[in-house]
Amino acid sequence: AQSVTQLDSHVSVSEGTPVLLRCNYSSSYSPSLFWYVQHPNKGLQLLLKYTSAATLVKGINGFEAEFKKSETSFHLTKPSAHMSDAAEYFCVVSGVEYGNKLVFGAGTILRVKS
Amino acid sequence: NAGVMQNPRHLVRRRGQEARLRCSPVKGHSHVYWYRQLPEEGLKFMVYLQKENIIDESGMPKERFSAEFPKEGPSILRIQQVVRGDSAAYFCASSELAGGSGANVLTFGAGSRLTVL
Repeated sequence: AQSVTQLDSHVSVSEGTPVLLRCNYSSSYSPSLFWYVQHPNKGLQLLLKYTSAATLVKGINGFEAEFKKSETSFHLTKPSAHMSDAAEYFCVVSGVEYGNKLVFGAGTILRVKS
Repeated sequence: NAGVMQNPRHLVRRRGQEARLRCSPVKGHSHVYWYRQLPEEGLKFMVYLQKENIIDESGMPKERFSAEFPKEGPSILRIQQVVRGDSAAYFCASSELAGGSGANVLTFGAGSRLTVL
């Protein structure tokens, strides 16, 4: 069974419009959830993480994500896209059932049109 | 703080040759992780090392792949007798604490892209 599913391989938005990158996870326990961003030829940068505290998590660069246990979702949002947001985004789950290793989704490539 | 440094950034090898990928963790980090990213896929865990010890190698192929993190110097991922299917991006990450759970944040390098001809 897929541990983390990113529902869209590509998302295209216009600059200034909202961004929604969808992620569903499977976990029997309380997972830790992360979003990482990868710009071309750069390392992965942590955007935000959820670790069983507040369900709405605010990250860097105006991104936030909401942990919804009933929907097993952890979607990433931003109110207004900027050209510099164009990158690949990875939803990541970790926890005891994964040996405390990071398990990555397949990634979503975000394109921002001017 | 230079972050996680990986080299080479790009490596081209012919089938049957050896590939060596190096990773210098963030200063003060004693935990190193290697991940592989195949085209169109997310990163897959390979191995987790502490200084001089392999802690978890459950993601490593059984043959041709090895990793080390010596007391001094960078961590090395070694691939012997490379095949075309080894072509991928190999990412190294380091952390101050153990494991990949929420209390611990991994810092990733920019990756080493291996192409096998």
